[in-house]
Amino acid sequence: DQQVKQNSPSLSVQEGRISILNCDYTNSMFDYFLWYKKYPAEGPTFLISISSIKDKNEDGRFTVFLNKSAKHLSLHIVPSQPGDSAVYFCAASTIQGAQKLVFGQGTRLTINP
Amino acid sequence: NAGVTQTPKFQVLKTGQSMTLQCAQDMNHNSMYWYRQDPGMGLRLIYYSASEGTTDKGEVPNGYNVSRLNKREFSLRLESAAPSQTSVYFCASRVLTGGIGYTFGSGTRLTVV
Repeated sequence: DQQVKQNSPSLSVQEGRISILNCDYTNSMFDYFLWYKKYPAEGPTFLISISSIKDKNEDGRFTVFLNKSAKHLSLHIVPSQPGDSAVYFCAASTIQGAQKLVFGQGTRLTINP
Repeated sequence: NAGVTQTPKFQVLKTGQSMTLQCAQDMNHNSMYWYRQDPGMGLRLIYYSASEGTTDKGEVPNGYNVSRLNKREFSLRLESAAPSQTSVYFCASRVLTGGIGYTFGSGTRLTVV
């Protein structure tokens, strides 16, 4: 049972345009959500997070939106740059307890010049 | 500041052989985790250690054992490797309070033939 799903395996966007990556979750106990970015042959690196008490969190070109009623979150990158080409993983957890992260399958983002 | 260090980076094993993947962190983090990454599956939790002296199973623990040697080190052992364990393995660590983001190592690419 995949508790966190990223239904788009890949996404191609023109440089300068907006990239929108989507993520859905099924476990209503999740109350903290994160996005990680991964380049080839490297470990994932933390990008941005949001707690369930918010519906938006912004950090420079990156904004994460959370829709709790739909159990959906999205990552917006504006403007997209060639260095943003990577695999993006959505992850979810509960703030209490062991705080184990549950990851989605990942979306490969390609920014075209 | 090395962060999370994994050794080895690459390994080829024959079916039935055993090996230990090493992980060490120098950030004084309390919790440590082992994930495996497979195409189309995202990152799946194998085992974790919420604090020194404790270990618990994650989503896919079968065929693996772990040891939390001390606060810095968390090793993953394959007693009798199988082709299904061909994967990229990531170790991660996290502080106990003040944040939920993990710091990942650069991974070990394991092939079992």
